[in-house]
Amino acid sequence: NAGVTQTPKFQVLKTGQSMTLQCAQDMNHEYMSWYRQDPGMGLRLIHYSVGAGITDQGEVPNGYNVSRSTTEDFPLRLLSAAPSQTSVYFCASSWEQGSHNEQFFGPGTRLTVL
Amino acid sequence: GDSVTQMEGPVTLSEEAFLTINCTYTATGYPSLFWYVQYPGEGLQLLLKATKADDKGSNKGFEATYRKETTSFHLEKGSVQVSDSAVYFCALSDTGRRALTFGSGTRLQVQP
Repeated sequence: NAGVTQTPKFQVLKTGQSMTLQCAQDMNHEYMSWYRQDPGMGLRLIHYSVGAGITDQGEVPNGYNVSRSTTEDFPLRLLSAAPSQTSVYFCASSWEQGSHNEQFFGPGTRLTVL
Repeated sequence: GDSVTQMEGPVTLSEEAFLTINCTYTATGYPSLFWYVQYPGEGLQLLLKATKADDKGSNKGFEATYRKETTSFHLEKGSVQVSDSAVYFCALSDTGRRALTFGSGTRLQVQP
């Protein structure tokens, strides 16, 4: 199993550009989520999905869109990038939404918005 | 809302020293508690977890005990190695929540 994969590893954008961060998992996990990691702030939840066709907002959703058309994929879209979105983005997945289950994280995407 | 507070870093120790990283939490209900570790350039990996009061999680020589009375989940290791240098995150998952609430992370640097 490849686990949770993310592409690209690094990306530089100009303000106003759009892009999609890709996330895929091959563990048949129902639950997937996106976090951003900023210095001194830990990880904050952007959006999550409890299954194909179902998504919801997390703690910091503004400026980001998601969709979940398949169990495997959960892309994160930035429609008009802003410097405040410079961050490291992590995708995670787990078997179910229950509180005891381990979440598996991808290696991250480092995004810089100029 | 839920929150997790960790001690500020970086923590710098010599090899074989004793490690404690403090973690306290605020949550409604009965959360599960986790420690995740992030090695340089990598994603987060689960280090250990505890799902109810007085449970002790352990892995790779690290331990943490779920203390409901003090709302704490401190991470300890008796003898650290250079390879333990990483950022450690305390996190909680409350009943019914769909995600983890993380602390700000504590960077550990172990010197030979």
